[in-house]
Amino acid sequence: DGGITQSPKYLFRKEGQNVTLSCEQNLNHDAMYWYRQDPGQGLRLIYYSQIVNDFQKGDIAEGYSVSREKKESFPLTVTSAQKNPTAFYLCASRTGRGSGNTIYFGEGSWLTVV
Amino acid sequence: GESVGLHLPTLSVQEGDNSIINCAYSNSASDYFIWYKQESGKGPQFIIDIRSNMDKRQGQRVTVLLNKTVKHLSLQIAATQPGDSAVYFCAETSNFGNEKLTFGTGTRLTIIP
Repeated sequence: DGGITQSPKYLFRKEGQNVTLSCEQNLNHDAMYWYRQDPGQGLRLIYYSQIVNDFQKGDIAEGYSVSREKKESFPLTVTSAQKNPTAFYLCASRTGRGSGNTIYFGEGSWLTVV
Repeated sequence: GESVGLHLPTLSVQEGDNSIINCAYSNSASDYFIWYKQESGKGPQFIIDIRSNMDKRQGQRVTVLLNKTVKHLSLQIAATQPGDSAVYFCAETSNFGNEKLTFGTGTRLTIIP
């Protein structure tokens, strides 16, 4: 099936550790995104990438890093610099630039700091 | 900064009735709007979209209305079913922007059997 796959679904992080969330898509989409969602809140953009080997900071990029070495993959690393990382993380992709190209989401990854 | 907001955080509707979820936006350059449905613990699902050159668009049991004059968007769900219970988000983007999709806080819709 075509779609966006996020892994792991649940992840626990100790204080001071870096963790990486995986996002893979087989939709041949150019643009990929990472959003963070806190309970009862909307989605906030962390990073996005419009093309391979290029990415831009979103609204809350501090404490996060990404890479886009392949079109299909856009992993997100939550670093120890992120002071409040417990949240629901959503990866998304869309086919091209400009309006009218809908963003589709993966099923999300829950990250908890223990 | 620009933002997208919702008028009501919660809405309860009797099964079979119609529901209307509202959304206000502030970016006058927004030209593409999307409604998403998010069930608990899952990613948002695309419901329906509308471009700024349209006032109304219909899908299966859903209609989106856009009023650019007052920067208001609404989602109408006809003959609601228990499976419609979820959080609904509106989102907007601009062709002249940087490809970001800005989301509102969301409205939790509960269908009462």
